[in-house]
Amino acid sequence: DIQLTQSPSSLSASVGDTVTITCRASQDIRNSLAWLQQRSGKAPKSLVYAAHSLQSGVPSRFSGSGSGTDFRLTISSLQPEDSATYYCQQYYTYPYSFGQGTKLEIK
Amino acid sequence: DERLLESGGGLVQPGGSLRLSCAASGFLFKYYAMTWVRQVPGTGLEWVSTITSDSRTTYYAEAVRGRFAISRDNSKNTVYLQMNSLRAEDTALYYCAKDYHDSTGLEPWGQGTLVTVSS
Repeated sequence: DIQLTQSPSSLSASVGDTVTITCRASQDIRNSLAWLQQRSGKAPKSLVYAAHSLQSGVPSRFSGSGSGTDFRLTISSLQPEDSATYYCQQYYTYPYSFGQGTKLEIK
Repeated sequence: DERLLESGGGLVQPGGSLRLSCAASGFLFKYYAMTWVRQVPGTGLEWVSTITSDSRTTYYAEAVRGRFAISRDNSKNTVYLQMNSLRAEDTALYYCAKDYHDSTGLEPWGQGTLVTVSS
């Protein structure tokens, strides 16, 4: 099974800042990686698929990069509504797997 | 507007059964795989099961294989999760998601239905 390791597990930043979350896969998953956002009490929402493609309607200040085993989600010009937990998820093979999550607090 | 609506959750005793439903609208359901994911409140996401668009192939997490069964009815735009021999550790919020495996991945997600296994 493929393990995904996210870092950091939590971070705090201010409005307008840029933050980067990383996700490392235990084996090559090509670009079969998504980034999900889950606000408190809400269902997850996909932000990025295929490592770098934005889902329709997602603001361009979200960007994904990487391939193989190392991936990044960058959020620029942070907004208060970006406060959430972010997960990476691989769909290269079954069983699908998720990172443990990164909780982002906006100061 | 693509939407998913789960139902069927509730309180069940250990060893009991429950069937979850997920009704889809706003997209051509019969062309997409569907996936169930669960989440113990306050913790991370765990993939549970996936069914292909034609129901020919199903996939299960090791933790539920042999106890859970995924199925779908394309005429009703609905996917199901039959859960048998339930355990306390199956307590979670269960989400369904449209699964476009070779493209946009898991999106959208439903709002979830809570399953509580307790005596």
